[in-house]
Amino acid sequence: KAGVTQTPRYLIKTRGQQVTLSCSPISGHRSVSWYQQTPGQGLQFLFEYFSETQRNKGNFPGRFSGRQFSNSRSEMNVSTLELGDSALYLCASSSGLAAETKQFFGPGTRLTVL
Amino acid sequence: GENVEQHPSTLSVQEGDSAVIKCTYSDSASNYFPWYKQELGKGPQLIIDIRSNVGEKKDQRIAVTLNKTAKHFSLHITETQPEDSAVYFCAASGNTGFQKLVFGTGTRLLVSP
Repeated sequence: KAGVTQTPRYLIKTRGQQVTLSCSPISGHRSVSWYQQTPGQGLQFLFEYFSETQRNKGNFPGRFSGRQFSNSRSEMNVSTLELGDSALYLCASSSGLAAETKQFFGPGTRLTVL
Repeated sequence: GENVEQHPSTLSVQEGDSAVIKCTYSDSASNYFPWYKQELGKGPQLIIDIRSNVGEKKDQRIAVTLNKTAKHFSLHITETQPEDSAVYFCAASGNTGFQKLVFGTGTRLLVSP
């Protein structure tokens, strides 16, 4: 099976702009979770989508949003970018059928905010 | 909410030695504990996981142990090789909602030839 794919791999934006990141999960997986990775805060959970519904949400401001399509592909959007949003954004794919299912990560999108 | 602490932050070993990374978690309701390996420029790779009804799990050179009473779990790598060099993350999940992993701060493992 193909792994989790994320596009684009790199992005450079300026403060105040918005950005949309895309994630395609492993075929057959219905859950997509998003994480932010920074040197200071480590890996932090943003939100999870399952069958087009947000099922769980972390402690991030409303500028961070997402959605999932009927083919399980997911997008996350960050509006009004701040310098502190510079990070590696990772998505993880799983079957989502139980709390203890394996999550498989994509390579990430490196976002730089200038 | 759940909090996961991970030690040490860096670990240097000689090729062939064993390496042990330890994590503690705060939420006694957590019931799933995966370990990830992250190489430079890549996303985290799941290397082994354990569920709360199991005390130990082994996969070739890597093993994970879980002590639910003490809320500790550990990763053991035997016969380390230079390609084991990477950052390793522990995580926990279960009570806070489906698929939400709470990660430790990571351990940078360096295996010298």
